[in-house]
Amino acid sequence: AQSVTQLGSHVSVSEGALVLLRCNYSSSVPPYLFWYVQYPNQGLQLLLKYTSAATLVKGINGFEAEFKKSETSFHLTKPSAHMSDAAEYFCAVSVIYGNNRLAFGKGNQVVVIP
Amino acid sequence: NAGVTQTPKFRVLKTGQSMTLLCAQDMNHEYMYWYRQDPGMGLRLIHYSVGEGTTAKGEVPDGYNVSRLKKQNFLLGLESAAPSQTSVYFCASSSTGVYNEQFFGPGTRLTVL
Repeated sequence: AQSVTQLGSHVSVSEGALVLLRCNYSSSVPPYLFWYVQYPNQGLQLLLKYTSAATLVKGINGFEAEFKKSETSFHLTKPSAHMSDAAEYFCAVSVIYGNNRLAFGKGNQVVVIP
Repeated sequence: NAGVTQTPKFRVLKTGQSMTLLCAQDMNHEYMYWYRQDPGMGLRLIHYSVGEGTTAKGEVPDGYNVSRLKKQNFLLGLESAAPSQTSVYFCASSSTGVYNEQFFGPGTRLTVL
């Protein structure tokens, strides 16, 4: 079954430093991969998605992710953290084609230190 | 265009009580989903629907029922609430297509005493 693994439930990063959130996937078919962000007391919103068109995907708010098939990874990065990046981030993989079901990772709570 | 809305936003129940959570979307999406979010567990799919009049079980369906009588609405019911159902519930919707994103509502925070 398709699944994703996100290590490290809490991630602290200094303002201006690199943000790196790791996501590894398991899938028996070519995957579609997503990163979502959840700000406090809100629903999830899409940051970016990989749909096999390009391995480097750029999203909103300066985030990007690179799909690496050999490493079964889809890590999320942002060169310079901003205080407004404090949120929870979820990686997700498509489960079954045809109904857009997703399997979510457990999430990373990002804390930005001034 | 309100997107996905959920009512109520907060609710406190006593063990054994019943309630219904309402999800509505105005994007004419075929697919709708109900998730629960618990600390350290990510989002887990409860039930989903691929069209009006259809429903299917997700990862954690026990203790919940759903109905999709109208395309724009997806109801989640708890017949006899238990403390283990204390959680934040999210509804989402998606158009057809293999890599279309899901759009999420703001969530309902449910506490069962």
